[in-house]
Amino acid sequence: NAGVIQTPRHKVTGKGQEATLWCEPISGHSAVFWYRQTIVQGLEFLTYFRNQAPIDDSGMPKERFSAQMPNQSHSTLKIQSTQPQDSAVYLCASSFWGGSETLYFGSGTRLTVL
Amino acid sequence: QEKVQQSPESLIVPEGAMVSLNCSFSDSASQSIWWYQQHPGKGPKALISIFSNGNKKEGRLTVYLNRASLHVSLHIKDSQPSDSAVYLCAEDDYNQGKLIFGQGTKLSIKP
Repeated sequence: NAGVIQTPRHKVTGKGQEATLWCEPISGHSAVFWYRQTIVQGLEFLTYFRNQAPIDDSGMPKERFSAQMPNQSHSTLKIQSTQPQDSAVYLCASSFWGGSETLYFGSGTRLTVL
Repeated sequence: QEKVQQSPESLIVPEGAMVSLNCSFSDSASQSIWWYQQHPGKGPKALISIFSNGNKKEGRLTVYLNRASLHVSLHIKDSQPSDSAVYLCAEDDYNQGKLIFGQGTKLSIKP
């Protein structure tokens, strides 16, 4: 089992461009989480899917950020009109059913907005 | 307002020493408290969790939870250089797997 796979590992965009980040959860896991990590804010929850349905997006910035899970094998996080303050490591995690259980994190995508 | 606070921010100890990390959380009704370990360039990895007041031991790790004082601690026995990492404490918000993380403690074990 390769674990949670995130692509790309690094992405550099210019201010105002769009960025799409990909996540492949562990096979058989029904819950997928997205987090953002910065030095200043630490690890922040963004959004969460269970069985492909959005459950909680309370951490998502209301504008420019969107997440989807079109099938059980991948989820995407899209940031429109990227801004320098969006620079961070975006981490995806999956778990069996989304309750109080171990989250398995990918290695993250480092997004740099110039 | 930060819900989960960790101390110290960083810690350097010699190999073989006992390590103690502290964490305070904000909601006594929270279901589980988790500790994760994160090495540079990697995602966090779950180490141990605790639900009930008291302690729980797994290998070289022991965690103590006191809900009345909203405090949890992680102790690492016989520390190894490979234990050098950032340790993250997390509160499981409403027991749905949505973790609220502290800022972390950077641990360095000197050979």
